[in-house]
Amino acid sequence: ELKVEQNPLFLSMQEGKNYTIYCNYSTTSDRLYWYRQDPGKSLESLFVLLSNGAVKQEGRLMASLDTKARLSTLHITAAVHDLSATYFCAVDRQGAQKLVFGQGTRLTINP
Amino acid sequence: GAVVSQHPSRVICKSGTSVKIECRSLDFQATTMFWYRQFPKKSLMLMATSNEGSKATYEQGVEKDKFLINHASLTLSTLTVTSAHPEDSSFYICSAAVFASYEQYFGPGTRLTVT
Repeated sequence: ELKVEQNPLFLSMQEGKNYTIYCNYSTTSDRLYWYRQDPGKSLESLFVLLSNGAVKQEGRLMASLDTKARLSTLHITAAVHDLSATYFCAVDRQGAQKLVFGQGTRLTINP
Repeated sequence: GAVVSQHPSRVICKSGTSVKIECRSLDFQATTMFWYRQFPKKSLMLMATSNEGSKATYEQGVEKDKFLINHASLTLSTLTVTSAHPEDSSFYICSAAVFASYEQYFGPGTRLTVT
C-alpha cells in the first residue's frame, strides 16, 4: 500500500526566512504533485514532477524529486505572508492518476 | 483553459435524504473523473474513479450503494450521497483528467452538511 508522509505537518516561520517541506513515499512512482490549499478552498496545482532529478521553480517556491530516495522537497525562499496556506504532496498510484495525498503541511508566515 | 466546476458549492440537507453533486469539465472532455472527500483539517482521500460510460471504481472502504457515481458524458460526472447521515458531512472535491495525461484539474469543491 502506497503511503505518503509529509514533514513537518505544521510550520510557523517569519517572513524573509527559508524553509523546506519534505514528502516521502513508500513505493515506486515517477509522478509527484504539489498543491496549495487555502482555507475553505479547493486545490491549486503548483508543480508536477515527472522524473528523477526533476526540479521546478515558480517564484519563491522550488520543488525537486529524487525517485531513488522516494523523496520530494518543496523549498520556500524568503517567505512572504501570501504563501501562508496548506501544502499537499501527492503521488500517482501505479500510474493510474489515482493520487495518494500526504497529510498536508500547514504553513503560517508571520510578518 | 482546463476549468472544472462543481455544483452546488454548499448544501445542507437533513438526515435520511439524498443529495446530488455535479462535476463538470467546462472546456475539455474528461475521460476520467475522480471524487475525493476531505474532513476538516485533514487530507484528501480518493473515493472513486469514474470513466465515461462505465461503472465507477470505488476505493476500499467506500460504500458504492451509498455514494452513487454516474459519468454520463465526457463533461459531466455526478455523485449522489444517498440516505445521508451527519458523518457524511465533508468537503467533496472532484477532479477531471484526460486519458494518458498526467495532469488532473480540480473542481472548487462542495461542502456538504447533514443535520
